[in-house]
Amino acid sequence: LAKTTQPISMDSYEGQEVNITCSHNNIATNDYITWYQQFPSQGPRFIIQGYKTKVTNEVASLFIPADRKSSTLSLPRVSLSDTAVYYCLVEKNNQGGKLIFGQGTELSVKP
Amino acid sequence: SQTIHQWPATLVQPVGSPLSLECTVEGTSNPNLYWYRQAAGRGLQLLFYSVGIGQISSEVPQNLSASRPQDRQFILSSKKLLLSDSGFYLCAWMASGVSYEQYFGPGTRLTVT
Repeated sequence: LAKTTQPISMDSYEGQEVNITCSHNNIATNDYITWYQQFPSQGPRFIIQGYKTKVTNEVASLFIPADRKSSTLSLPRVSLSDTAVYYCLVEKNNQGGKLIFGQGTELSVKP
Repeated sequence: SQTIHQWPATLVQPVGSPLSLECTVEGTSNPNLYWYRQAAGRGLQLLFYSVGIGQISSEVPQNLSASRPQDRQFILSSKKLLLSDSGFYLCAWMASGVSYEQYFGPGTRLTVT
């Protein structure tokens, strides 16, 4: 499984756009990039997944360059409730779902 | 719709005592099931996963074991707890086949004293 590297923590203010970048230099051809969000004392929640270029949903956008060695999760206009830990994962679809969570990025949104 | 249940929500156990945590999923069949542990609030460690009844894969060789007696039931056990077993235990499920989204339960906070 490809190893991922992301910043341990980030600070932001309400209303700002937050971009969290994840490095996955050893990503394989059939790997997908997935992001999860975790609030304290809760299980992680799926945010978004992509393979290449750009994916957008009602929560976030995911930007993946052509070489796919990194990805950026973009959260538009964050609020205090976006304070959480964000995990970047690289996984193969339909492979038993053996997800490996790293340490994640702890995002702190301030008023 | 699918739901996942875990119990108990919190547990305080003395060192050397046994453990049994249960997880059940509703609204789906033949799910992949997972047990994770999170210590100190960061980084989930995959402990066990199962792709079918009686099929258990262990990721971490410790004093923990898992069983899947029924399709939508996943049990985490220990015969003798260690202090290092304290943590937040999360059960998750994912649809078998082409899928990429895991759904997590509410978790069990275990404190070993």
